Amino acid sequence: EAQVTQNPRYLITVTGKKLTVTCSQNMNHEYMSWYRQDPGLGLRQIYYSMNVEVTDKGDVPEGYKVSRKEKRNFPLILESPSPNQTSLYFCASSPQSIMNTEAFFGQGTRLTVV
Amino acid sequence: AQSVTQLDSQVPVFEEAPVELRCNYSSSVSVYLFWYVQYPNQGLQLLLKYLSGSTLVKGINGFEAEFNKSQTSFHLRKPSVHISDTAEYFCAVSRAAGSYQLTFGKGTKLSVIP
Repeated sequence: EAQVTQNPRYLITVTGKKLTVTCSQNMNHEYMSWYRQDPGLGLRQIYYSMNVEVTDKGDVPEGYKVSRKEKRNFPLILESPSPNQTSLYFCASSPQSIMNTEAFFGQGTRLTVV
Repeated sequence: AQSVTQLDSQVPVFEEAPVELRCNYSSSVSVYLFWYVQYPNQGLQLLLKYLSGSTLVKGINGFEAEFNKSQTSFHLRKPSVHISDTAEYFCAVSRAAGSYQLTFGKGTKLSVIP
């Protein structure tokens, strides 16, 4: 089944403790991205990747890191999480970088930083 | 840069009544437009998209949207809603050339009342 898989689905952590949220897609898509969803703000893009080893900042990159060493994986790293990073996070992938095709979304990761 | 405004944050409607969810965009260049739906505790999935050509676009689950370039709008409509349409709906835009980003609106929560 074609899908985008995020892990974990739920995570509670403490301020300053490094964490990684994994994202993997099995559709051989070139483009992958991370969004955060906050009430009343919709989805805001954190980082995106057009292909292996090619990443760029989205609209809200501060406090996040990403890497794209393999085509299928695009982990999101929070090196020193803070409470304002409490949010619902989505990973998405698309067949190509030109944004005229459907984006496929993971099920989301609900992160709470205390 | 492009932007999206969803004019209503919440829309209650009775079952079997028609509904229109409004979306306006801002861009100085040609755009691609999308509507995504998010059911509770799930990721987003594509309802429909406009790339070019006919301004009336039909999507899944009986939804349709009309692209109006002069009014920079892309409103989503359904002639008769069901309880199962209760969800949050997001309008999104990307530039037709030279952009690797999808920009989302803040979302409209549709509540279908039995």
